[in-house]
Amino acid sequence: EAGVAQSPRYKIIEKRQSVAFWCNPISGHATLYWYQQILGQGPKLLIQFQNNGVVDDSQLPKDRFSAERLKGVDSTLKIQPAKLEDSAVYLCASSLERNANTGELFFGEGSRLTVL
Amino acid sequence: AQSVTQLDSQVPVFEEAPVELRCNYSSSVSVYLFWYVQYPNQGLQLLLKYLSGSTLVKGINGFEAEFNKSQTSFHLRKPSVHISDTAEYFCAVTPLTSGTYKYIFGTGTRLKVLA
Repeated sequence: EAGVAQSPRYKIIEKRQSVAFWCNPISGHATLYWYQQILGQGPKLLIQFQNNGVVDDSQLPKDRFSAERLKGVDSTLKIQPAKLEDSAVYLCASSLERNANTGELFFGEGSRLTVL
Repeated sequence: AQSVTQLDSQVPVFEEAPVELRCNYSSSVSVYLFWYVQYPNQGLQLLLKYLSGSTLVKGINGFEAEFNKSQTSFHLRKPSVHISDTAEYFCAVTPLTSGTYKYIFGTGTRLKVLA
């Protein structure tokens, strides 16, 4: 079974530029998460989708971050314009629906963003 | 609201020695508890989880954890570590009352196994 796929793995941009990250979850997983992991910290939830609807985006900086999940499968996370403090690893994770879920999140390898 | 505290940011230990990584949580409702491991330049991988039942949970790679409700702790242990266990370890909780899982992660403990 294929895991969670993310791209690009690494991205370096200047501040005020834009960047987009892509995630393809495990087939059949209804829930998709984007986390931001700053160096030395734990993952922080940015947005959670259930199928193609947003469940929680309370910690998403909506003035610069946006995310969508097309047809309840792939997802993109965009930052525009980027700030220095956006330098982090962006992790995508997926899971089954709650009533079929043993609680496990499956993570991709992450996309490392460096803003100069 | 829930919170997770991992007091030890770094734990150095010699190979074949035992190790304990501490995790305490705060929650007004019941939670599921997890430990994830992150190897360099990789995503997080589930080590073990506590959902219900026996409070001693065994996971992959010889790790185990014990859920202590009265102390709100979920410490991770391994009786004998290997060099390959060098990684970052994250404790996480999710409340049982929400319609979907809402995971809260601790800040992580970096385990460094020394030869």
